[in-house]
This record gives sequence, structure tokens and C-alpha cells, in this order.
Amino acid sequence: EIVLTQSPVTLSVSPGESATLSCRASQSVSSNLAWYQQKPGQAPGLLIYGASTRATGIPARFSGSGSGTEFTLTISSLQSEDFALYYCQQYNNWPPSDTFGQGTKLEIK
Amino acid sequence: EVELVESGGGLVQPGGSLRLSCAASGFTFSDYWMSWVRQTPGKGLEWVATIKKDGSEKYYVDSVKGRFTISRDNAKNSLYVQMNSLRAEDTAVYYCARARHYDILIGFYSDYWGQGTLVSVSS
Repeated sequence: EIVLTQSPVTLSVSPGESATLSCRASQSVSSNLAWYQQKPGQAPGLLIYGASTRATGIPARFSGSGSGTEFTLTISSLQSEDFALYYCQQYNNWPPSDTFGQGTKLEIK
Repeated sequence: EVELVESGGGLVQPGGSLRLSCAASGFTFSDYWMSWVRQTPGKGLEWVATIKKDGSEKYYVDSVKGRFTISRDNAKNSLYVQMNSLRAEDTAVYYCARARHYDILIGFYSDYWGQGTLVSVSS
């Protein structure tokens, strides 16, 4: 099983600044990685797929990068609505055995 | 607008059964693979099962194989999961999600999610 490790567990950033979230895979997942945002009481929502492609309607301040085992989600000019939980997910295997990271909580500093 | 609405969650005793449903609208349901994903405070998000557009292929996480059965009714735009022999560790919020992939030899990400339904397994 591919294990995804997200860091940090909690990230405190001030509005208007940038945030960098990391996701490391225990083995290569190529570019088959997605990022999700989850707000309290809500379902996760897709932000990024293919490691760097923004999902429909996602603002350009969200960007993803990386391949292989190291991935980054960068959020620039943080808005109040961006403070939430963020999860990465790999989907590199067939038959599917998709796995998620444990999440990073982005909180207001 | 894509909408996924789960139902059927509740409290069930260990060893019991439950059937979850997901009503889909806003897209051509039969054109998409569909998944169930669950979330617990302790284990976070966990992919549970995925079913092909026509129901001919089904895939499960190891921990539910032989106990859960995913199915769909394209005429009713509905997704289901029959959960038998439930255990305490199956307690979670269960999400229905539209599954996407762009290569036949890789897995799926989920581009739309329902609001979830809570399953509690306890005596």
C-alpha cells in the first residue's frame, strides 16, 4: 500500500500571505495525485488533479506541483475562505487502491 | 449542476446490515464510474469501493471485501452499497463520489462528492 505523508499537520498563516503544503508518497505515484479542501461540516472538494491541473472553478491562487514522490500545494494571497483542511490522494494503481494523506489543517495566524 | 445525495445511514449493531443509497442528478450518470469513500476522525479519508459505468467491474478496499457490495441502477440514477457483517471500525461518514480517471491503468480521483451519511456501528 502506498502511504501518503502530509506535512505539516497544522500550518498557521496570516491572511494575504502564501501557504505551502507538502505531500510525500512512500513510492512513486507519477503525477497521479489530487488535492482536496474540506471545510467543517462539508464534504471534501476537488482542488487539483494530475498533480498540477486545477479543477473546474478553482481560483488561480491554488497551484500544485511535483511528481514521483514529492508534491506541493501552494496557496497564494490567502483568503479567509481558504482556512480549512487539505488532503492529498494518490490514484496511481490498477486495480484501484487509492489512498489519502492524513491531512493538513491550515489555520489563521 | 451536479448533485449527489446520500441516504440510509444510521445506528446498527455489530454484525448487522445497512444499505446506503446515493441519488445522482445534473449529469449523465451512466457515463461515469462512481465510488464510495468514508471518513472517520481517527483514520481520515478512506476509499471504499468503485464501480464501472455499466456495473460490470467493481473494486473494493481489502477491509470490506466479502462484506460490502457496491451496485448501481442507471435507470434510476442511483448508486448503492450493501454493507453486511458490520464492525465497529466501519463507523464513519460515507460519501458518494463521482470517480474520474484519464488512463485505463490508473485509479480514480473524485470530482464531486455528496454531503455524506453517518453510519454508526455500536451495541
